[in-house]
Amino acid sequence: SQQGEEDPQALSIQEGENATMNCSYKTSINNLQWYRQNSGRGLVHLILIRSNEREKHSGRLRVTLDTSKKSSSLLITASRAADTASYFCATDGRRVRSKLTFGKGITLSVRP
Amino acid sequence: NAGVTQTPKFQVLKTGQSMTLQCAQDMNHEYMSWYRQDPGMGLRLIHYSVGAGITDQGEVPNGYNVSRSTTEDFPLRLLSAAPSQTSVYFCASSRSYSPRDYGYTFGSGTRLTVV
Repeated sequence: SQQGEEDPQALSIQEGENATMNCSYKTSINNLQWYRQNSGRGLVHLILIRSNEREKHSGRLRVTLDTSKKSSSLLITASRAADTASYFCATDGRRVRSKLTFGKGITLSVRP
Repeated sequence: NAGVTQTPKFQVLKTGQSMTLQCAQDMNHEYMSWYRQDPGMGLRLIHYSVGAGITDQGEVPNGYNVSRSTTEDFPLRLLSAAPSQTSVYFCASSRSYSPRDYGYTFGSGTRLTVV
């Protein structure tokens, strides 16, 4: 069963704009992770945010976590054409340390 | 430092054939797993291993076998291929036995078509 669900399913923006993607989940988590997948490639780990953290930054990436709403957002600032990819959130379960569950992903297109 | 290596990259099988998808990592990761990715379905966990000699089932294990005789290798065996197993298969490893703490390193995938 899907734990994390991303929103929107697809997003198209102009280069230089900011891209905001959301992830909602159903059960309590320990950590939430975001991954990027370029076309025809494997997933690449972007950032991990723990349940006791509210915000985390990594370069042009900003992730927030609201455990009361069971949701997270990924913000990419000053987007570039190279950011065109699919983005996935992955969640664990409080009682299941050894499994990550992925959402269906968001397709981001950044127009030059 | 190769990371996670999957072979082959592409494979076409006939229904009923068997084959093994290979996965090897050189990072001394304890945790390894197999996912399949299908359009509109996201990634689904097939099998995983928290260390040599230890394997367990994921969300969609039917039709697949795994073993973990070494830390480095985690092959996935398709016993009798079916068209429903047409998918892209990803192997992923993690530096601890719990990927929730450190995240995954993924291989580049094997695209399998069963006709």
